[in-house]
Formats: sequence, structure tokens, C-alpha cells
Amino acid sequence: DIQMTQSPSSLSASVGDRVTITCRASQGISNYLAWYQQKPGKVPKLLIYAASTLQSGVPSRFSGSGSGTDFTLTISSLQPEDVATYYCQKYNSAPLTFGQGTKVEIK
Amino acid sequence: EVQLVESGGGLVQPGRSLRLSCAASGFTFDDYAMHWVRQAPGKGLEWVSGISWNSGSIGYADSVKGRFTISRDNAKNSLYLQMNSLRAEDTALYYCAKGVSIAASFDYWGQGTLVTVSS
Repeated sequence: DIQMTQSPSSLSASVGDRVTITCRASQGISNYLAWYQQKPGKVPKLLIYAASTLQSGVPSRFSGSGSGTDFTLTISSLQPEDVATYYCQKYNSAPLTFGQGTKVEIK
Repeated sequence: EVQLVESGGGLVQPGRSLRLSCAASGFTFDDYAMHWVRQAPGKGLEWVSGISWNSGSIGYADSVKGRFTISRDNAKNSLYLQMNSLRAEDTALYYCAKGVSIAASFDYWGQGTLVTVSS
């Protein structure tokens, strides 16, 4: 099975900072990659699908890139409401594996 | 408005069974694949199982294969997860989620139902 590895596991940044989270697949998955945001105590929310397509209603400060095995989620200007855990997920075929998550906090 | 409402969770002893349900509304249920995702307390997300719109394609995580069975009733707009031979490590919040297809991201999630496996 394909493994999904996120880095870092956690990060602390200041409001307004540019934040980058990386997700690496153990084998190529083309662009079958999604990013989710889960705020504390809340349900996961789809941010990006097809590696770089922003889900409707998601702020434009979020962006995704990559293809094959290496992917990136970028928050261009971190806001207090972005405190959450972020997960990548591959969905080209079963199992639809999630990464282990990246916890983002405000410094 | 899309709504997914899970039910059927609770406290169950190891080795016993439980059946989860997910009632869907606000979209044409039989046009979409559906999935179960779980989250153990304080842990990350784990995909459990998925089923295509017509039940023709089904997948399971290795951790539940042979013990869990996913099904759906399109006439009732409902998704199910039959969980047998439950183990302590199955303790989690179980979400149902809607996907465009069996190989697609999940655009809507329910609030989850908690399953606790303990003696």
C-alpha cells in the first residue's frame, strides 16, 4: 500500500507568515491528492482536491501544488482562524490513505 | 443543504458487533460514492471503507477487512457499516463522508458517532 508522509508534524508561526506543509507519497499518485483542515473539536473540511483545485468557499490564501509523489499546501498569510490540523489524503485507489497530520499553531 | 447524520455508536464489549448508519439528505444520494472514516481519540484520520453509487465497487482498510462490511440502501438514502469482532483499537469517532466517486475526495462529512470497545 502507498504511504503518505507529512512534514512537519507540527509548526508554530506568526500571524501573516507564509506556511508550507509537505506531503510525500511512497509511490506516484498523479494528482489524486486532497488536503483537509480539522479545527479542534470540529469535523474535517475539504480545502483542496486534485492537488491544486481550491474547494468552493475556501479562502484564496490556501493553495496546493505538486504531482506524482511530492505535494505542498501553502497558507500565504497565516490567520488566527487557521489554527488547525491539516491532513493530506491520496484517493487514486483503495486504501484512501491519510497523512498523519500537521498541527498548525500561532506563535 | 447536504446533511449526513450518523447513528448507532455506543459502548460495546470486545468481540461483539455493532451496526452504524448514516442518513443522507440534501443531494441525490444514488449519484455518489460514500465512505466511512474514523478517528481514534487524539489521533489522526483513518479511512475505513468506501462504496460506489451502485455498490459495484467496495474497498476496505486492511485493519478492518474481513470484520467490517459496508452497504447502502439508495431507496432509503442510507449508508451502513456492520462491524463484527470488534477490538479495543476500533474505538473511535466514525464519520460518514460523501465522495464524488469511489476514488475522489470527500466534500461533505457528518458529525460522527462514537464507538467505544471496552469490557
